[in-house]
Amino acid sequence: GENVEQHPSTLSVQEGDSAVIKCTYSDSASNYFPWYKQELGKRPQLIIDIRSNVGEKKDQRIAVTLNKTAKHFSLHITETQPEDSAVYFCAASNADSSYKLIFGSGTRLLVRP
Amino acid sequence: DVKVTQSSRYLVKRTGEKVFLECVQDMDHENMFWYRQDPGLGLRLIYFSYDVKMKEKGDIPEGYSVSREKKERFSLILESASTNQTSMYLCASSPAENLAKNIQYFGAGTRLSVL
Repeated sequence: GENVEQHPSTLSVQEGDSAVIKCTYSDSASNYFPWYKQELGKRPQLIIDIRSNVGEKKDQRIAVTLNKTAKHFSLHITETQPEDSAVYFCAASNADSSYKLIFGSGTRLLVRP
Repeated sequence: DVKVTQSSRYLVKRTGEKVFLECVQDMDHENMFWYRQDPGLGLRLIYFSYDVKMKEKGDIPEGYSVSREKKERFSLILESASTNQTSMYLCASSPAENLAKNIQYFGAGTRLSVL
């Protein structure tokens, strides 16, 4: 089955700097890759996703890139702000055949003011 | 606005007790999921259901069972709670027509402590 690895487990950046979180997946049939953000004490919420037919997607300060050949995808946050501090989870899915998401282990991002 | 509601935010139970965790969604979603969240392990799928009375095992079903008698409600059952089931439990739902984008909507979580 699918396995998703996520790095780093913790990341501390200065406000205004960029943050990058990386994930690798094992199943070449996976074609849908969402990212969820979980603020302290709150529920995970989808912040951005990408399908395998595109290599990059942007939404204001966040972007996701996908390298199908290497089977890895990354979340990029530019001009980080204290409110970006949260745990971020990547996930992978074969959205043609399954409703299941396989999650990575999470990255705790701390943005220092 | 999708709403997934878990009946309790915090629960404290004794070893050996039967525990019910309840989840209700108000968006008529076909799919519902139960995860447990532990530090450094991410979200691990326990069980999911894609229709009323249908269920499938996830990655860590041992020690758990589920019930889905109505479309909006998905219950997680710990038949005999053990200390290693102390964790945060998250429920999620997703619509069937969203297969191309498996967006899941999460509840706020239930933090269960088994003493």
